[in-house]
Amino acid sequence: GESVGLHLPTLSVQEGDNSIINCAYSNSASDYFIWYKQESGKGPQFIIDIRSNMDKRQGQRVTVLLNKTVKHLSLQIAATQPGDSAVYFCAERGVTGNQFYFGTGTSLTVIP
Amino acid sequence: DAGVIQSPRHEVTEMGQEVTLRCKPISGHDYLFWYRQTMMRGLELLIYFNNNVPIDDSGMPEDRFSAKMPNASFSTLKIQPSEPRDSAVYFCASGGRALPGANVLTFGAGSRLTVL
Repeated sequence: GESVGLHLPTLSVQEGDNSIINCAYSNSASDYFIWYKQESGKGPQFIIDIRSNMDKRQGQRVTVLLNKTVKHLSLQIAATQPGDSAVYFCAERGVTGNQFYFGTGTSLTVIP
Repeated sequence: DAGVIQSPRHEVTEMGQEVTLRCKPISGHDYLFWYRQTMMRGLELLIYFNNNVPIDDSGMPEDRFSAKMPNASFSTLKIQPSEPRDSAVYFCASGGRALPGANVLTFGAGSRLTVL
């Protein structure tokens, strides 16, 4: 029979526009979160992290926002470029140790 | 540093055969993780080590899977016997505590396993 895979959210943006990728995490006690970017055929690469005692953290062209009330993370990419096309994952650190659990990912396509 | 090194990059084998995947973590990192990525389940944590000791193997799917870390610079993930449903990309990642932000995981390029 036909296999059913994960429904990967997709986002298409025009080059130069800003992108916002969202993630819901599962454990309200998680204290550390990371955003990863995975290009086709490669392993996930670190983009930016944030600790639970912060609401916002900025990097180069990227900003992560954390809303603990609703267990929500977002990744904002400014002036999106074709090289930003990839699957983006959020990851939360487990509360009992250093396990990191990943969300299902969002596929970003940048239209030149 | 060359980053996390995994081998083989691709492996095609027949059902019932033993498969061994290898990982060399970043020098100085004292955490090592094995993940599996499939379309069905995304990125799943299989097992992780701290200072070469397995800490949590609750993600290992069944007894056919085993992982070892005989020293700080080498780990293996073994599947015996392999089955078609084991087909996936297996990632190794390492991380350390010595520096600020050292909880960041650095991933290898992955080993793509196909079991026929």
